[in-house]
Amino acid sequence: EAQVTQNPRYLITVTGKKLTVTCSQNMNHEYMSWYRQDPGLGLRQIYYSMNVEVTDKGDVPEGYKVSRKEKRNFPLILESPSPNQTSLYFCASSFLWGHLYGYTFGSGTRLTVV
Amino acid sequence: GIQVEQSPPDLILQEGANSTLRCNFSDSVNNLQWFHQNPWGQLINLFYIPSGTKQNGRLSATTVATERYSLLYISSSQTTDSGVYFCAVVGNTGNQFYFGTGTSLTVIP
Repeated sequence: EAQVTQNPRYLITVTGKKLTVTCSQNMNHEYMSWYRQDPGLGLRQIYYSMNVEVTDKGDVPEGYKVSRKEKRNFPLILESPSPNQTSLYFCASSFLWGHLYGYTFGSGTRLTVV
Repeated sequence: GIQVEQSPPDLILQEGANSTLRCNFSDSVNNLQWFHQNPWGQLINLFYIPSGTKQNGRLSATTVATERYSLLYISSSQTTDSGVYFCAVVGNTGNQFYFGTGTSLTVIP
């Protein structure tokens, strides 16, 4: 089944403890992206990647890192999480960069930083 | 970036009613997609519709790119239509996807 898999689904952590949220897609998609969703603010793009080793900042990149060493994986790294990073996070991918057709989202990761 | 505005922000319908959701965008786009986020949080593609009209069952969408808006029509609404509807666009010159803040739809039996 074609899908984007995020892990974990739920995570509670403490301020300052480094964490990684994994994202993997099995559709050979070029473009991958991370979003955070907060009430009243919709979906805001954190980082995106147009292909292996090609990443760029979205609208809200502060406090986050990403890497794209393989086409299928695009982990989101929080080096020193803070409470304002408590949010619902989504990974997504599409066949071609800059193209919304077939844009597929993961199931989301609900992160709480205390 | 491109500003994407959706209206109305909230909508409550009786089951069986029809509705129209609107998405306005501030610049020329070559990509537009409508998504539905169900009450469990899952985001699902509805329509890829940079221009023209498409229909899928009770749902249809129209994009008038020259006037910078798109409409999503829901006919004979069902409780399973509840959730948040987002539109997203990509500008002609960029790689970023811009989402609206969504329309929250509640369909009551």
